Amino acid sequence: TAGITQAPTSQILAAGRSMTLRCTQDMRHNAMYWYRQDLGLGLRLIHYSNTAGTTGKGEVPDGYSVSRANTDDFPLTLASAVPSQTSVYFCASSTTGTDTQYFGPGTRLTVL
Amino acid sequence: GQNIDQPTEMTATEGAIVQINCTYQTSGFNGLFWYQQHAGEAPTFLSYNVLDGLEEKGRFSSFLSRSKGYSYLLLKELQMKDSASYLCAVMDSNYQLIWGAGTKLIIKP
Repeated sequence: TAGITQAPTSQILAAGRSMTLRCTQDMRHNAMYWYRQDLGLGLRLIHYSNTAGTTGKGEVPDGYSVSRANTDDFPLTLASAVPSQTSVYFCASSTTGTDTQYFGPGTRLTVL
Repeated sequence: GQNIDQPTEMTATEGAIVQINCTYQTSGFNGLFWYQQHAGEAPTFLSYNVLDGLEEKGRFSSFLSRSKGYSYLLLKELQMKDSASYLCAVMDSNYQLIWGAGTKLIIKP
């Protein structure tokens, strides 16, 4: 089973450009999440979705947007990238939103 | 504010036992999770505690004391492959995970 896939694996992006990070799960999980992970810090929640058609803001939502048109896909968009958005981005999902979260392999993004 | 504290780094010897502590202060409590993360990889789920006490799963055990805001992850019979970061996370009253910065565990032969 694929579980959760993310694309691309890594990307170098010029500041000011836009980019969409893709996340797809095949587990029919209701809830999905986007985190960023920076050295020396815990994972920080960017946006989440408890079910298709709904989204919510996490701890660090500024500069990012998400959509949840269906159960499987949860793309994260950076409208105008800045160097402080250089990070490793993880997508995760859980069955109900109140249980264990399972992570995708991550996208390493560098904004220059 | 919400806070999860765990040691930054620990070193242990192959075959030994190591205990990784986690203390937390959060808005509400709906369970505590431990994840393992190898360098360059995604976090993978290890254990979940919501009631006080010890949960054992093979070589790994996790303990919770809600009154003390404290948990530990116990790893027995350490193997080189256990070299990784161990992440403590608490699910708060909004069912969002609050994460510690992780403990990097170095295993020496």
